[in-house]
Formats: sequence, structure tokens, C-alpha cells
Amino acid sequence: QVPLQGSGPGLVKPSETLSLTCTVSGGSISSVYWSWIRQPPGKGLEWIGYIYNSGNINYNPSLKSRVTISVDTSTNQFSLKLSSLTAADTAVYYCARDPGAPVHAFDIWGQGTMVTVSS
Amino acid sequence: EIVLTQSPATLSLSPGERATLSCRASQSVRSYLAWYQQKPGQPPRLLIFDASNRATGIPARFSGSGSGTDFTLTISSLEPEDFAVYYCQQRSNWPPVSTFGPGTKVDIK
Repeated sequence: QVPLQGSGPGLVKPSETLSLTCTVSGGSISSVYWSWIRQPPGKGLEWIGYIYNSGNINYNPSLKSRVTISVDTSTNQFSLKLSSLTAADTAVYYCARDPGAPVHAFDIWGQGTMVTVSS
Repeated sequence: EIVLTQSPATLSLSPGERATLSCRASQSVRSYLAWYQQKPGQPPRLLIFDASNRATGIPARFSGSGSGTDFTLTISSLEPEDFAVYYCQQRSNWPPVSTFGPGTKVDIK
């Protein structure tokens, strides 16, 4: 197994930028797909974006203008920045691994970081 | 953008009964369809990938079928721990884009 540990602030103010980091333990961060996924309280899952091959990125079109995902191979971490926050961004934010073929699905998830956007 | 629709929204069943959950895609996703189980306070757990392949450690009572736009998750005989919310997810191959269905809650009748 490759545990994922997300970290970041639990409370962020409206209009500010959220920064979260996911640390990958016990395996390489290269050659697979890493994602951020969020879940507002009591609601379903929303994919935010992929980073893969240590630098290629694809975002959910609905969030693309506000999202930046990056990777640091030297520390085995990947990160999420989400700008111009509103209350609608309040959610549990998960980091997850998609190993690529033949799985093409999220087989490992972090425990999630609850983020509340409030003044 | 591919939209996934799940039905029913809620399924009320008793332990030992068979559960049949549906996921429909707005356009073909080939076989790139996965199913997840989520319990309160936990991250989702991968059950099925590539439409019909069980993930590591998933009991044989869980099975998936379908291709193209119509998919089914079947739980052959519900155990008490199976009452949860189930999501389907599609992932396009290139560029990689993912969407989730709205979920089906399986609760105890």
C-alpha cells in the first residue's frame, strides 16, 4: 500500500486561497496519476484535477480558472491551490491515486481534510 | 462533459437481499467505469474497476457489468456492513478527465 496523508488549514476566509498538500509514503510519485477530489457536507464527490507523469495536468473545467495542482518529486508531495474561495468551496478535500492502466480508477485515498470557508 | 446518472437514489433492502444499482453515462465511456462504496466519515473505497473487475480484497458478492453507457453493480446478498452510499465514476483515457455519479444510498429496510 501507498498511504496518502493530506495536510492543510481547516478554516480559510472567503476570497483567500486554499493550499493543501498530500504526502505519498512508501512509493514513487512518478508514473501514476494523482488527483484531488472534494465532497461538500452531505453531498457527492467532485473531481478537481489530475497531475501525472510528474508534471502533466488536467483540471475539471468548472474549476479550471481557480485551481493549480503541482508536484514536488524531491519530497514525494503534490499540492492543490484553490483561489477566490467562497462558502461553496467548503468541503472535505481528498487526495487520491489512479495507477493508470489497467485500473483507471482511484485505488488509494487519503483520509480527507475538512476545509471550512468562513470569515 | 460526460454526465453520469445513478438510479435509484435510495434503495431500501434487508440483509440477505440482492441489490442492483444502475449507472448510466451520457455518452460511451467504453469500460472505464468504476464503483466505490462510502461509509460516513470515511473516504470512498474502490470496489470495481474497468466495469467488471473487483479491486483487491473486495468480496465476491460484489460484481459489476456493462459497457458503453449502461452499467450495473450487483451485491448478491447484502451483509450488514454493505449499507452505505455507492458512487460510479468514469475516467476518459486521454486527456484524463473524471466524473462521478450522484450516488445511490443503500439503507436498511
